[in-house]
Parts: sequence; C-alpha cells; structure tokens
Amino acid sequence: DAGVIQSPRHEVTEMGQEVTLRCKPISGHDYLFWYRQTMMRGLELLIYFNNNVPIDDSGMPEDRFSAKMPNASFSTLKIQPSEPRDSAVYFCASSSTGVRGYTFGSGTRLTVV
Amino acid sequence: DAKTTQPTSMDCAEGRAANLPCNHSTISGNEYVYWYRQIHSQGPQYIIHGLKNNETNEMASLIITEDRKSSTLILPHATLRDTAVYYCIVCSGGTSYGKLTFGQGTILTVHP
Repeated sequence: DAGVIQSPRHEVTEMGQEVTLRCKPISGHDYLFWYRQTMMRGLELLIYFNNNVPIDDSGMPEDRFSAKMPNASFSTLKIQPSEPRDSAVYFCASSSTGVRGYTFGSGTRLTVV
Repeated sequence: DAKTTQPTSMDCAEGRAANLPCNHSTISGNEYVYWYRQIHSQGPQYIIHGLKNNETNEMASLIITEDRKSSTLILPHATLRDTAVYYCIVCSGGTSYGKLTFGQGTILTVHP
C-alpha cells in the first residue's frame, strides 16, 4: 500500500492566488482528515469526512478555506484567496473504524508570499 | 475530550528505555489514550492506544494507571531514530474515527 498520498509536496504562491491541495487516502478507509501545522499553533484539525460527507468543519479558519471529497479516493483543500498567514504544513490523514490509528500523509508545505 | 499534560522535553541514552509520562486526570470512562509521534518534517505516526489495560506492540508498551488518570509510553530500547515529538491524546469514540486533538507533546532526544 502506498499510504496516504498528498500533492504537491511544496507550494509557493503569491498572496491573493487560489491554492488547491490534494489528498488520496488509503484504499478502503472511510474517514479522511485535514490538519494544519504551524510553529505557533501546532497541529490543528481543520475538517474531517466520513464516507465522503463532511462531518465536522469547525476547525476551518474562515470562508476562504473549503474542502471537498467527491469520491472515496480523492479530497481537496482549497484556499481562495490565499494570505501569508496561511503558510503552514497541511497534512491529510485517513482511517477506518476498527483500524489502528490514523495514517498521515507526508504533508504539503505551503508558503504564501 | 480530556486535556493531557506532558513534559516539554526529555532526554534518553541510546539503548536505554525511554519512559514518557502523560497526565489525563479528567479522562472519562469511554475515552481512549492514544500515542503518536512526529519525526522532523514527517506526518505524525500512530504508535499505540489503550483503554484501561496495558498494551504492547512492536513499537512500544503503554502502561495506564488503575485510576486511568495517567499513562506512560515505554520505548524499550531507544535508538537515535526515535528522536521525535511524542503526543499523548485522549479521544472519545474508542476506535480510530474519534477526533484527535494534538497538544504540544514531548520532544524526546535520544543521544549516543
């Protein structure tokens, strides 16, 4: 199994541009989580899905952030417009009931200049 | 979910056991204790979890006190590759679908 796959690994964009982060969960996992990590705030849960349906998006910082899961094998996290304070490492993780723990991807390091 | 308290940092000599403590005095009956670690620049990695019995797997052992108000993660023979941030998390739900809220964790440094 290739694990949770995130793309791109690094993204540098200018303030005001749209950014889309992508995640492919482990096949068969029915939970998908998006986290953000910064030095100041640590790891924060942004949103999570179960069976492609958003369950809790209370961690999404503001309306500029949106997440979708059109099918069981793909999810996106979009920031529009991006701001310098969005610079962080964004992690995707997947899991399934009965499976031990979450499996995290390698993350996307986003820099907004 | 209950809050956890961990030391900010710990050191351990290579080859020795690393014992990482965690306090979770407000844990409720249906909440599990999870441990994850994050090696620099990588995503967090699941280590182990338990409810009230001690648990052991290929990576570590988890000792939970009888009153469940604290636990200890034990890495029996620490190596340099175990240098990481270790997170203790209390989570309701009992299975992997519970929301995981990460604190600041313990920075474990394993030195030669």
